[in-house]
Amino acid sequence: DAKTTQPPSMDCAEGRAANLPCNHSTISGNEYVYWYRQIHSQGPQYIIHGLKNNETNEMASLIITEDRKSSTLILPHATLRDTAVYYCIVRVKAGNMLTFGGGTRLMVKP
Amino acid sequence: GAGVSQSPSNKVTEKGKDVELRCDPISGHTALYWYRQRLGQGLEFLIYFQGNSAPDKSGLPSDRFSAERTGESVSTLTIQRTQQEDSAVYLCASSRVAGVETQYFGPGTRLLVL
Repeated sequence: DAKTTQPPSMDCAEGRAANLPCNHSTISGNEYVYWYRQIHSQGPQYIIHGLKNNETNEMASLIITEDRKSSTLILPHATLRDTAVYYCIVRVKAGNMLTFGGGTRLMVKP
Repeated sequence: GAGVSQSPSNKVTEKGKDVELRCDPISGHTALYWYRQRLGQGLEFLIYFQGNSAPDKSGLPSDRFSAERTGESVSTLTIQRTQQEDSAVYLCASSRVAGVETQYFGPGTRLLVL
């Protein structure tokens, strides 16, 4: 699976959009971009995934650049409960295991 | 069920004792995964099941670790003769089919070996 690079931490004001970047310059054609988050003392929570088109669900939007070398997870209206570590993972969809890197620690502040 | 459940949520044991950790996957999910997460670290893959068989046991740290699954449902992870380095959060995830589908995680079991 391709390696990803994320900033170690970010702050966001409550109610504002949180934009979390991820670089995956070595991504290959059959690899998907997945986002999970882990709130303190809880198991990882799936957020969204995509291949090359932008995706949106009830939790977030995923914007993937045309060359697929980077992506951005957008939480449109961050709340205090969105404070967590956010992990960007690139994997072949048929891969069995998940490998989490350092992630981005998002702190939503009132 | 509504989500993956694990029990116990917390377990404190003495070095050398055996422990059993249980995972109930989402109903209808045929694939089940076990991971370990040490404090402040990322996920460490242990083993996965497709149905009741475990095609990949490569992540089990030692022969003290074993896992089984029956009835394509509940799975048990057993750690024999626990050591202090086994202290971690043990996470279980399930997906509809192995590898192809998104994995959904349980809350984990926090194991502390004294």
